[in-house]
Amino acid sequence: DAKTTQPTSMDCAEGRAANLPCNHSTISGNEYVYWYRQIHSQGPQYIIHGLKNNETNEMASLIITEDRKSSTLILPHATLRDTAVYYCIVRVAHNAGNMLTFGGGTRLMVKP
Amino acid sequence: DAGVIQSPRHEVTEMGQEVTLRCKPISGHNSLFWYRQTMMRGLELLIYFNNNVPIDDSGMPEDRFSAKMPNASFSTLKIQPSEPRDSAVYFCASSPGQNEQFFGPGTRLTVL
Repeated sequence: DAKTTQPTSMDCAEGRAANLPCNHSTISGNEYVYWYRQIHSQGPQYIIHGLKNNETNEMASLIITEDRKSSTLILPHATLRDTAVYYCIVRVAHNAGNMLTFGGGTRLMVKP
Repeated sequence: DAGVIQSPRHEVTEMGQEVTLRCKPISGHNSLFWYRQTMMRGLELLIYFNNNVPIDDSGMPEDRFSAKMPNASFSTLKIQPSEPRDSAVYFCASSPGQNEQFFGPGTRLTVL
């Protein structure tokens, strides 16, 4: 699976949009971009995933560049409860299992 | 559904003792994963099962670790004998075979 690079930490003001970047310049054509987050003392939680089109769900939006070498997770109106470590993961999706390789992630601190 | 259930939530044991961690996946999910999280190494995949069969155990650190899944609703991760370096939070996750993994609350293991 392709390696990802994320900033170690970011701050965001409550109510503002949080934009979390991820670089995956070695991504292959059949690899998806997944985002998970881990709130302190909890297990990781799935947020969103995409292949090449932008995706949106009730939690966030995922913007993938045209060359697919980077992406941005957008939390449109960050709240204090969004403070967590956010993991960007690139992998091939298949039915036999969905192994995830977690890197260091970005520690997002939402401040009042 | 109650989500992925793990027990115990906390375990403190002495070096050399046997430790058994338990996981009940979400009903209907056919993939189950065991992860370990430490400050030094982050989140690591230990082993995953598909339809109760171990598919990849390359992440299991050594022979002291073993995992079983006797049926679709139960899995165990055993450490025998335990060592202080095994201290970590152990997460179990299950997946319906598609893209999202659902994580349990974790078991915090301390080996003295």
